[in-house]
Amino acid sequence: DIQMTQSPSSLPASVGERVTISCRASQGISNSLAWYQQTPGKRPKLLIYHASSLQSGVPSRFSGSGSGTEFTLTISSLQPEDVATYYCQKYDSAPFTFGPGTKVDIK
Amino acid sequence: QVQLVQSGAEVQKPGASVKVSCTASGYTFNFYAITWVRQAPGQGLEYMGWISPYQGNTNYAQRFRGRVTMTTDTSTRTAYLEVRSLRSDDTAVYYCARGMSGANAFDYWGQGTLVTVSS
Repeated sequence: DIQMTQSPSSLPASVGERVTISCRASQGISNSLAWYQQTPGKRPKLLIYHASSLQSGVPSRFSGSGSGTEFTLTISSLQPEDVATYYCQKYDSAPFTFGPGTKVDIK
Repeated sequence: QVQLVQSGAEVQKPGASVKVSCTASGYTFNFYAITWVRQAPGQGLEYMGWISPYQGNTNYAQRFRGRVTMTTDTSTRTAYLEVRSLRSDDTAVYYCARGMSGANAFDYWGQGTLVTVSS
């Protein structure tokens, strides 16, 4: 099975700062990658699919890029409400594995 | 609006079984796969498998095969997850999620069901 890794595991950042999270697949998955945001005690929320397509209703400060094995989620200007754990997920073929998550908080 | 509403919290003893439900509304149930994901306390998201309501096709993650069964009842627009031979490390929040059309990303999620396994 394809393994998903994320870096960093924890990311303290200042309000207004540009934040970048990396996700790597152990084999190529084309652009079959999604990003989710999860705040404590809440269900995950889809942010990005097809590696770079913004889900409806998601603020434009979120963007995704990459293909193959290397992917990036960028928050252009971190807001207090963006404090959360972010997960990538592959869906080229089952199993639809998630990355281990990156916890973003305010410095 | 699309909603997935899950059954309430459960407490089960080791070795028992649990069945969690997920009732859909606001869309054509048969047209979208339902995936089950779990999250142990303080841990990340773990894919368990998916089911196609229309055909009943399933795919289970390797580690759950033989111990998990996913079913649907199209008449009540409900998906079910049964986990047997429960262990303490099955304690988790179990989520159902809808697969998007054209991509197996999950655009709508249930509220989660906490299953606690304890003697």
